[in-house]
Amino acid sequence: DQQVKQNSPSLSVQEGRISILNCDYTNSMFDYFLWYKKYPAEGPTFLISISSIKDKNEDGRFTVFLNKSAKHLSLHIVPSQPGDSAVYFCAAKGNNDMRFGAGTRLTVKP
Amino acid sequence: KAGVTQTPRYLIKTRGQQVTLSCSPISGHRSVSWYQQTPGQGLQFLFEYFSETQRNKGNFPGRFSGRQFSNSRSEMNVSTLELGDSALYLCASSPRTGRLLSNQPQHFGDGTRLSIL
Repeated sequence: DQQVKQNSPSLSVQEGRISILNCDYTNSMFDYFLWYKKYPAEGPTFLISISSIKDKNEDGRFTVFLNKSAKHLSLHIVPSQPGDSAVYFCAAKGNNDMRFGAGTRLTVKP
Repeated sequence: KAGVTQTPRYLIKTRGQQVTLSCSPISGHRSVSWYQQTPGQGLQFLFEYFSETQRNKGNFPGRFSGRQFSNSRSEMNVSTLELGDSALYLCASSPRTGRLLSNQPQHFGDGTRLSIL
């Protein structure tokens, strides 16, 4: 069962514009959420996280929003840069469980 | 500070064989988790080790096993390999946890790509 879903397998954005990556989850026991970025031939790299007690966390160009009632989180990248092109995974933790989404491939065009 | 090191990077095996993958966590990290990544499936949790004990296990058959040594290094073993075991196997470490994946980000290695022929 896919408890964490990233429904968009790919996203293409122009350099300088906003990239919005979405993630939905079904398990209400999840209380901590993370975003990872993955380049080819490398392991995922931690990007940003958010606890369920918050609805927004910002770190530079990256902001994660959490809507608990909708069981939805999103990652905003502003402004997008070509170096942001990678696969982005969302992850959810809670109740001794951790699940990842299938990933969204972001392409930022110069 | 060296990152998480996984060896080997690439491995080719045939059906029915067994394989052992190795992971050296970041120095000082005591928790090691293993994941399987296949196309379209994202990352699936295999198991987590802390203080040489398996603390949590994902939904994988008993052919998948692991262990952790006193220096926190971990090995993962897959026996009776099947074609569907072809995947990227990732190891991740974090500083501490008594329960699965406390709210600290995990640091991933670059993975071992296992191909079954």
